[in-house]
Amino acid sequence: EAQVTQNPRYLITVTGKKLTVTCSQNMNHEYMSWYRQDPGLGLRQIYYSMNVEVTDKGDVPEGYKVSRKEKRNFPLILESPSPNQTSLYFCASSSRDRGTYEQYFGPGTRLTVT
Amino acid sequence: AQKITQTQPGMFVQEKEAVTLDCTYDTSDPSYGLFWYKQPSSGEMIFLIYQGSYDQQNATEGRYSLNFQKARKSANLVISASQLGDSAMYFCAMREGRRSGGYQKVTFGIGTKLQVIP
Repeated sequence: EAQVTQNPRYLITVTGKKLTVTCSQNMNHEYMSWYRQDPGLGLRQIYYSMNVEVTDKGDVPEGYKVSRKEKRNFPLILESPSPNQTSLYFCASSSRDRGTYEQYFGPGTRLTVT
Repeated sequence: AQKITQTQPGMFVQEKEAVTLDCTYDTSDPSYGLFWYKQPSSGEMIFLIYQGSYDQQNATEGRYSLNFQKARKSANLVISASQLGDSAMYFCAMREGRRSGGYQKVTFGIGTKLQVIP
């Protein structure tokens, strides 16, 4: 089954404790993105990647890091989480194959930073 | 300036009626794409429909159609014959072209919550 998986689905952590949210897709998509969703703000793009070793900042990259060492994986790293990073995070992948680049989303990771 | 504007925080529609969800966008890039996604209360994001800036015809997918008015920079979603399962949050999104950072730079609106009344 074609899918984007994220782990963990739920995470409660404390300020300053480094964490990684994993994202993996099995569709051989070139493109992957991370978003955060906050009430009243919609989804905001954090980082995106056009292919292995090629990443770029979205609209809200501060406090986040990403890496794309393999095509299928695109982990999101919070080196020193703060309470304002409490949010719902989505990973997404897409491909140029259909010409639309529509995104396939993971199930989301709800992060709480206390 | 906001790139994607959805001005209807909430909408109600009677079951079996049609409803239009508004979306306006702002870009100077001649090449862009517009999307609508649905987010039910369960939280997943579901792709509904896509319109490219060079597409001559309005996109349709089953009960969904996109009313694309390029000169007005609007991309409204029309849902015909609403069903109870259409109750959800709906997001309009735009990916811009190379001039604006590449096809993977995507901007979402803040969403419209649609409730279908039996």
